[in-house]
Amino acid sequence: SAVISQKPSRDICQRGTSLTIQCQVDSQVTMMFWYRQQPGQSLTLIATANQGSEATYESGFVIDKFPISRPNLTFSTLTVSNMSPEDSSIYLCSASGYNEQFFGPGTRLTVL
Amino acid sequence: AQTVTQSQPEMSVQEAETVTLSCTYDTSESDYYLFWYKQPPSRQMILVIRQEAYKQQNATENRFSVNFQKAAKSFSLKISDSQLGDAAMYFCALRAGGTSYGKLTFGQGTILTVHP
Repeated sequence: SAVISQKPSRDICQRGTSLTIQCQVDSQVTMMFWYRQQPGQSLTLIATANQGSEATYESGFVIDKFPISRPNLTFSTLTVSNMSPEDSSIYLCSASGYNEQFFGPGTRLTVL
Repeated sequence: AQTVTQSQPEMSVQEAETVTLSCTYDTSESDYYLFWYKQPPSRQMILVIRQEAYKQQNATENRFSVNFQKAAKSFSLKISDSQLGDAAMYFCALRAGGTSYGKLTFGQGTILTVHP
């Protein structure tokens, strides 16, 4: 199993600014992902964070808005750029195990 | 593409009673996993139970069991002897193999209320 931590746990930001969310896994994992959960909604996959190469984005998400880094097998960051109130969501980091998916505690972002 | 559908936005149950949450899915992959996750107000995603598609036997974890109907693409969760701590949002999720390996597709969620 893997334990995932995220920082910050929550933040309130102003429109037009950017926020970087950090995700740390306590063991090496092959695949890491970032999900968004809008208020009262389900989880939607933003992208797969690839170690040493550019992230793979899902339809509707672009690198300019959500740049992702993954410098090694245990760490990834997601930046939410040029934020608007519509970006207010919970952002969750996830990692794949053999037959399980692990999740971080999430970052609750509020954009004013 | 994968889809997961939870048709019950909200469910309620009396403490100590049994409740079943429904989930249907669609995938063209033959190798996949199905999961039920619980998300309490703390927002931490907690794995409740998982089912490998190649296994015919339904998974069971203490008070939680599934009814996996592969041909019907149905994956319901039964919670027995419901407890107040079971109150949460429940998500059904599919993880397919192939090029989608590791990616989870989630249903819309079911809010479960447990009445004392």
